[in-house]
Amino acid sequence: DTGVSQDPRHKITKRGQNVTFRCDPISEHNRLYWYRQTLGQGPEFLTYFQNEAQLEKSRLLSDRFSAERPKGSFSTLEIQRTEQGDSAMYLCASSLKQGANYGYTFGSGTRLTVV
Amino acid sequence: QQPVQSPQAVILREGEDAVINCSSSKALYSVHWYRQKHGEAPVFLMILLKGGEQKGHEKISASFNEKKQQSSLYLTASQLSYSGTYFCGTGVNTGNQFYFGTGTSLTVIP
Repeated sequence: DTGVSQDPRHKITKRGQNVTFRCDPISEHNRLYWYRQTLGQGPEFLTYFQNEAQLEKSRLLSDRFSAERPKGSFSTLEIQRTEQGDSAMYLCASSLKQGANYGYTFGSGTRLTVV
Repeated sequence: QQPVQSPQAVILREGEDAVINCSSSKALYSVHWYRQKHGEAPVFLMILLKGGEQKGHEKISASFNEKKQQSSLYLTASQLSYSGTYFCGTGVNTGNQFYFGTGTSLTVIP
């Protein structure tokens, strides 16, 4: 197992365009988390899945954001009508059980730049 | 709800020791520590679940004072590879809510 994979590593998009990011968690991990991190700040929670069920969404996740984990394996995070304020590093993490009690394994992230 | 870390930044010479503190306004169920190097993902260092428990990882250890809602990360005999930003993460409400701290930038120089 090669850990948590995210694709793409970098994405530059024009304001108003839609973007989609993919995350492949560690295969035996049933919990998957999306975080957003801006420069100099700690990761901020966006949403998490247990298997294919999306169990919690942060208030940070506006209507323009949607996440899916259709078969309980990989997940996608889509941002519609991107805004400059969406520019950030989007991190995916997975855990075997409840991450807060066992620790998170993070992917390398997707850096989004909206121009 | 975001835990506060101190100091915000620290510069050490190789071989020196450092302490990074993490303080929460909420009762804590768990504390994590992560190190993030520039442009990379945070890497899990350790987790503490019980108050007063101290755990170690090579020359890096941590304590968790449940009553004070605080945790401290101890780095001894620092090495160049220790440079990075350290984040604490705190689980509240039996871990159903989790927040990363404000971060501490650590730079080790020769």
